This record gives sequence, C-alpha cells and structure tokens, in this order.
Amino acid sequence: DAGVTQTPRHEVAEKGQTIILKCEPVSGHNDLFWYRQTKIQGLELLSYFRSKSLMEDGGAFKDRFKAEMLNSSFSTLKIQPTEPKDSAVYLCASSLRDSGEQYFGPGTRLTVL
Amino acid sequence: GDSVTQTEGPVTLSEGTSLTVNCSYETKQYPTLFWYVQYPGEGPQLLFKVPKANEKGSNRGFEATYNKEATSFHLQKASVQESDSAVYYCALSVNNNNAPRFGAGTKLSVKP
Repeated sequence: DAGVTQTPRHEVAEKGQTIILKCEPVSGHNDLFWYRQTKIQGLELLSYFRSKSLMEDGGAFKDRFKAEMLNSSFSTLKIQPTEPKDSAVYLCASSLRDSGEQYFGPGTRLTVL
Repeated sequence: GDSVTQTEGPVTLSEGTSLTVNCSYETKQYPTLFWYVQYPGEGPQLLFKVPKANEKGSNRGFEATYNKEATSFHLQKASVQESDSAVYYCALSVNNNNAPRFGAGTKLSVKP
C-alpha cells in the first residue's frame, strides 16, 4: 500500500506569493493532519480533518493558512501571502479514526525569500 | 489541556552507551502513548505504541513502560548505534476528537 504522498518535495517562493501544497493520505484513513516543523518550535498542528470535517486548527495559523479536504483522498494547504518566517517543513499525516497512530508523509520543504 | 514534555536535546552519545529520553504527560483521560522516530529527510514514523497503563512497548531495541502513576513514558535503549541518530518524539492520543499531542522532540546524535 502506498503511504502518504506529498508534493512538491521542495518549494521556493518569493515573499507575498501564494503557494499550495498537496497531500494524498493513506487509502482508507479517516483522519488527516497538517503540521509545520521547525527546529525551534518542533511540530506545530495547523489543521486536523476527520472525513472532510475540520476538527481542530492551530489558532496561530488561521489568518494566512488554509487547509482543505477536497475529497477523502486529497488535501491542500494554501499559504497566502507567504512570508519569510513561513520557511519550514510542512508535514501531512493520516490515521484511522481513533487509532491515534499517524502515518507521515516525507514533507514539503518551503523556503520563502 | 493535554500535553507532553520530553528531554530537551540535543543529546550526544558514543556508540555502545545507554540511552534514556524522559517523557512526561498530562491528561485527565486515558491516553495511548507513542514514540515516533524521524530520520533526516523523512517524516516521523511510529517506533511503537502502548495503549494500556503498566504495559511495555518495544521495537528495534528501544523500549518504554506506560507508568500511569508517574505519568511517564521514558524511552530507553541499552546500547545505541550510530544508525539510531535521529529525532525522537513522544506523543499521546485520547479519543476526544482532538489531534494527538507531541512533545518538542529530542535530537540524538550517536558518535562512532
């Protein structure tokens, strides 16, 4: 079975641009998570979906970050407009409902100039 | 709210020495506890999980005991290898429609 797929693996953006990151969860998983990872802050939750419904979002990320579940097998994370402080690795993860056990994708490394 | 606190890194060890990464958690519910490992350039992957208090989980020579009384889940390995160099995350999950909670991560470097 395929794991979590994330595209692109690397993204370079100019300040003020709009970027869209993509994620395909493990087939059959109900829960999908977006995280931002930095060396200083570690893993920070951006959004958590269950069967396309938004269950939880990271309060600090509401203004420029928007995650969507377009269908049960595809999600996007839009950052608009980007700022240099958004430079980080963005991780997508999925899990079966209530299992708690998350399967992570390889991440997208975003650099904002 | 629920939270996890773990040993602040980085931790540097020589091959063959023992490892302990402390993990403490806070929750009013009955969590499942996890250890994840993340190698460079990859996402975190599950090392093992323990759903019940007083039980032990283990994988690849690592182990941890779910201690409900002490609210701890310390990761141990008797003899580390250079290939164990990675970031280790302790996490908890409860069935309350909230996302799992992760610790800050502990970076381990093992020198040959």
